Amino acid sequence: EIVLTQSPGTLSLSPGERATLSCRASQSVSSSYLAWYQQKPGQAPRLLIYGASSRATGIPDRFSGSGSGTDFTLTISRLEPEDFAVYYCQQYGSSRETFGQGTKVEIK
Amino acid sequence: QLQLQESGPGLVKPSETLSLTCTVSGGSISSSSYYWGWIRQPPGKGLEWIGSIYYSGSTYYNPSLKSRVTISVDTSKNQFSLKLSSVTAADTAVYYCARSTPFGVDYWGQGTLVTVSS
Repeated sequence: EIVLTQSPGTLSLSPGERATLSCRASQSVSSSYLAWYQQKPGQAPRLLIYGASSRATGIPDRFSGSGSGTDFTLTISRLEPEDFAVYYCQQYGSSRETFGQGTKVEIK
Repeated sequence: QLQLQESGPGLVKPSETLSLTCTVSGGSISSSSYYWGWIRQPPGKGLEWIGSIYYSGSTYYNPSLKSRVTISVDTSKNQFSLKLSSVTAADTAVYYCARSTPFGVDYWGQGTLVTVSS
């Protein structure tokens, strides 16, 4: 099973700042099958990024994904008030999907 | 617009079987492009993939739950279902049904809280 480790656990930032979230895999992940999700309290997760770097439909361009192999990054270029949430990475497509434990982006 | 809706008991007794159904509307569950899956989230914790099913009936399960999980599909009703046996308090969670694609999990149900308690 591929274990995904996200860091940091919590990121305290102000609106307008840049957020950089990390997702590290215990073994190589195909870039085609690495996704990022945003989850707000009481809501289902929302797909942000798939294939490591492609934005899902309707996702603003301030969200970007990068990385390959075992190291992946989600960047939010300028935090908007609605971006404060928990973010999860996921590897899929291998019939053994796994999620990272999440990074909470909170208002400083 | 595709919609997924979970249904089933919100309270299950320890050692019994948790049963949930996901009804898909606005699209066909028989599409060859998608898997249909279950994901859960214990209160205050992260997401855990439970398993997925293809419309043909092929299934993939989380190894840690495999001995207790059965996912099935009913294409005539556009539904798929989850059964989790021998539940304990550790199985208390919000259970989501979702559509998996080669481009991630793009549609989710609203989630349903299942509490395991006597």
